[in-house]
Amino acid sequence: LAKTTQPISMDSYEGQEVNITCSHNNIATNDYITWYQQFPSQGPRFIIQGYKTKVTNEVASLFIPADRKSSTLSLPRVSLSDTAVYYCLVGANTDKLIFGTGTRLQVFP
Amino acid sequence: DTAVSQTPKYLVTQMGNDKSIKCEQNLGHDTMYWYKQDSKKFLKIMFSYNNKELIINETVPNRFSPKSPDKAHLNLHINSLELGDSAVYFCASSPHDGRTGYQFFGPGTRLTVL
Repeated sequence: LAKTTQPISMDSYEGQEVNITCSHNNIATNDYITWYQQFPSQGPRFIIQGYKTKVTNEVASLFIPADRKSSTLSLPRVSLSDTAVYYCLVGANTDKLIFGTGTRLQVFP
Repeated sequence: DTAVSQTPKYLVTQMGNDKSIKCEQNLGHDTMYWYKQDSKKFLKIMFSYNNKELIINETVPNRFSPKSPDKAHLNLHINSLELGDSAVYFCASSPHDGRTGYQFFGPGTRLTVL
């Protein structure tokens, strides 16, 4: 299973764009890159998933370079409610999600 | 409409007791899971069931026994509770429709063993 490395914490202000980068040097050919968000006292919530290039949904964008050894979750114009822990996961097995330490994003007014 | 629900939300009990946590999903998913999130916030998978059959059993003490009466329910029974069992336990479910890593999590059950 590919190991992921992401910053422990990040700070931002409301209205700014936040980019969280995740390194996964040993990503396998069949692996997908998935990001989850976890608010305090809640379960993780699926945000976005991609295999290569760029994926965008109503919540975020995911940028994956050609070598797939890293990925960047982009949150446009964050608000206070985006304060959460963001997890980057890499794998091909739907059933076995491996959560790392995540990135704690704190958004200030 | 709650997609994945767990009961109870909080559970405080004494060491040595036996307790159960219930989980139900109304999403029609085939697979359900139990995760444990400890005080350091590490989230680890414990069990996975697909259509009532156990498919993942991580290194979990046999005091923990999952039970799936049907594919919409996955309960977790814990015998002889220990201090180290204190954690937040999350239930999750996923469809088997080709999407990898796509799981819905419940709100969690905070277990405190005194």
